[in-house]
Amino acid sequence: GAGVSQSPSNKVTEKGKDVELRCDPISGHTALYWYRQSLGQGLEFLIYFQGNSAPDKSGLPSDRFSAERTGGSVSTLTIQRTQQEDSAVYLCASTKTLQASGRNEQFFGPGTRLTVL
Amino acid sequence: AQSVSQHNHHVILSEAASLELGCNYSYGGTVNLFWYVQYPGQHLQLLLKYFSGDPLVKGIKGFEAEFIKSKFSFNLRKPSVQWSDTAEYFCAVNARYSGGGADGLTFGKGTHLIIQP
Repeated sequence: GAGVSQSPSNKVTEKGKDVELRCDPISGHTALYWYRQSLGQGLEFLIYFQGNSAPDKSGLPSDRFSAERTGGSVSTLTIQRTQQEDSAVYLCASTKTLQASGRNEQFFGPGTRLTVL
Repeated sequence: AQSVSQHNHHVILSEAASLELGCNYSYGGTVNLFWYVQYPGQHLQLLLKYFSGDPLVKGIKGFEAEFIKSKFSFNLRKPSVQWSDTAEYFCAVNARYSGGGADGLTFGKGTHLIIQP
């Protein structure tokens, strides 16, 4: 079946511009995560959506970052007034469980490579 | 907050050599441990995981990992590597779950493994 998809695959933008990154989770998956992978760094957890519950935004690095999930499916990560340090690969993952347990396998998308000039 | 250390950032081995990639985490409570792999041009995928029980867990493609609680370690091993094992390997920990927390993972910075034919 179809996996997690993300678009665009690459995005080049100028400093100060806003960008939107899209994630389509696996159909039926209730939980969705965003991560950021910077050069030389591991994957950094950003935000987590579980069903209709309020998202866990504890990983967002600044108030320029926001995300929403419409209809419990597609998610959009928005970065306002982009900075060069925002350049990274942004990964989305989803799981099918209804309850957070810390044990759920996450299925990852291919990522969006963001370059801020 | 928990952290994950992968001490080997780049490893180069010849085919048939034995492999051990180190992973240490810093969290004193119950943890769920994962190894993910990213083959060139592919998505991150789960290699193996440990939640409880037998501390020696087996994953796909002949990989295994041993959880040593006293050392806060979860090293990945394979007795005989193949050229197709060339990939980036990430150790990850989830220690957020406490009856309501998120499933967000804390990743190490990754180990780039190159297998020479």
